[in-house]
Amino acid sequence: GAGVSQSPSNKVTEKGKDVELRCDPISGHTALYWYRQSLGQGLEFLIYFQGNSAPDKSGLPSDRFSAERTGGSVSTLTIQRTQQEDSAVYLCASSLELSYNEQFFGPGTRLTVL
Amino acid sequence: AQSVTQPDIHITVSEGASLELRCNYSYGATPYLFWYVQSPGQGLQLLLKYFSGDTLVQGIKGFEAEFKRSQSSFNLRKPSVHWSDAAEYFCAVGPGGYNKLIFGAGTRLAVHP
Repeated sequence: GAGVSQSPSNKVTEKGKDVELRCDPISGHTALYWYRQSLGQGLEFLIYFQGNSAPDKSGLPSDRFSAERTGGSVSTLTIQRTQQEDSAVYLCASSLELSYNEQFFGPGTRLTVL
Repeated sequence: AQSVTQPDIHITVSEGASLELRCNYSYGATPYLFWYVQSPGQGLQLLLKYFSGDTLVQGIKGFEAEFKRSQSSFNLRKPSVHWSDAAEYFCAVGPGGYNKLIFGAGTRLAVHP
């Protein structure tokens, strides 16, 4: 079956512009996660959703970052007024339920802010 | 605060040699521990996980890991490395099971023929 998909695969933008990154989880998965992988660093947790709600937004690095999930499926991560330090690979994962279930990762969106 | 340390940024081994990738964690309670692999251009794939019970866990692709509470370690091992194992390996701790995983910086493995 289809895995987690993310779009676009690559995004180049200019500093100060807004960007939207999309994640399509595996069908039937109720939990969805966003991580950021910066060059030379490990993965940094950003936010997770259980259904459409996000109980924990503490990982979002600033108020320029927001995320939503509609219909318990697709999620969008929005970065407003992008900065060069936002350049990274943004990974999405989904799992059948919130805990004790394997997180399946998408291929990521590589964001470059010029 | 929870943290994961992978001391080796880059490791090179010969094909057929044994492999051990180190992982140390900092967490106050019983940790949930994971190893993921990321091949070039691919997403992360779970190799194995430890929740409780037997401290030696078996995973996919012939990998195993041993949880040692006294050393706060969860090292990944493979008896004989294949060229296709060249990838980046991440150790992670999950304070509440799977949600909010905290990852180490990763170890990049190169395999010489």
